[in-house]
Amino acid sequence: DTAVSQTPKYLVTQMGNDKSIKCEQNLGHDTMYWYKQDSKKFLKIMFSYNNKELIINETVPNRFSPKSPDKAHLNLHINSLELGDSAVYFCASSQDSRPPPGELFFGEGSRLTVL
Amino acid sequence: QKEVEQDPGPLSVPEGAIVSLNCTYSNSAFQYFMWYRQYSRKGPELLMYTYSSGNKEDGRFTAQVDKSSKYISLFIRDSQPSDSATYLCAMKRGSTLGRLYFGRGTQLTVWP
Repeated sequence: DTAVSQTPKYLVTQMGNDKSIKCEQNLGHDTMYWYKQDSKKFLKIMFSYNNKELIINETVPNRFSPKSPDKAHLNLHINSLELGDSAVYFCASSQDSRPPPGELFFGEGSRLTVL
Repeated sequence: QKEVEQDPGPLSVPEGAIVSLNCTYSNSAFQYFMWYRQYSRKGPELLMYTYSSGNKEDGRFTAQVDKSSKYISLFIRDSQPSDSATYLCAMKRGSTLGRLYFGRGTQLTVWP
């Protein structure tokens, strides 16, 4: 009964390849996010979807393309992987209408290593 | 200047010590202040939440917000080895769908 689940947990791939990460939440939340956490633990927002609509799109290379087929799912596709893409990618969800506002529920992360 | 500044540490203390973790911020529009705890190889989890200025206590944890100084703190009393984790401060403006702004996180180790 995992609340926010991501797959795969680990990816090791070569530069130039394309990869996808999938996320699903069973909390009934209407907002989902992708965050990138670098080796120094800095957590940086990439994208946010509310009811399948893109509401936050930070300065991220267009090699990164999110897709939300429905409220419970948010996927991330990365084209032409680069060394600098190596990081842990976290999916999260929230329901801002329920207090406390801003409470995010995170998945366990997908650790991407680009060789 | 980053929106939220947090000393990354690392911070290492003996069991039973009082721990003080801090963040400063530059945007006076922030109204909601949070502390997330992240264990190794896990996602962050909300630990404490405060609206506007003031103190909030939950067991061994106390969160303080001083909006006049743009400074927030998390105190951990009687620290335990199980408190060893990275602590991230986070802040939000009032808007419902607004983003969270995270600090860089402070890595804490409590040794027995």
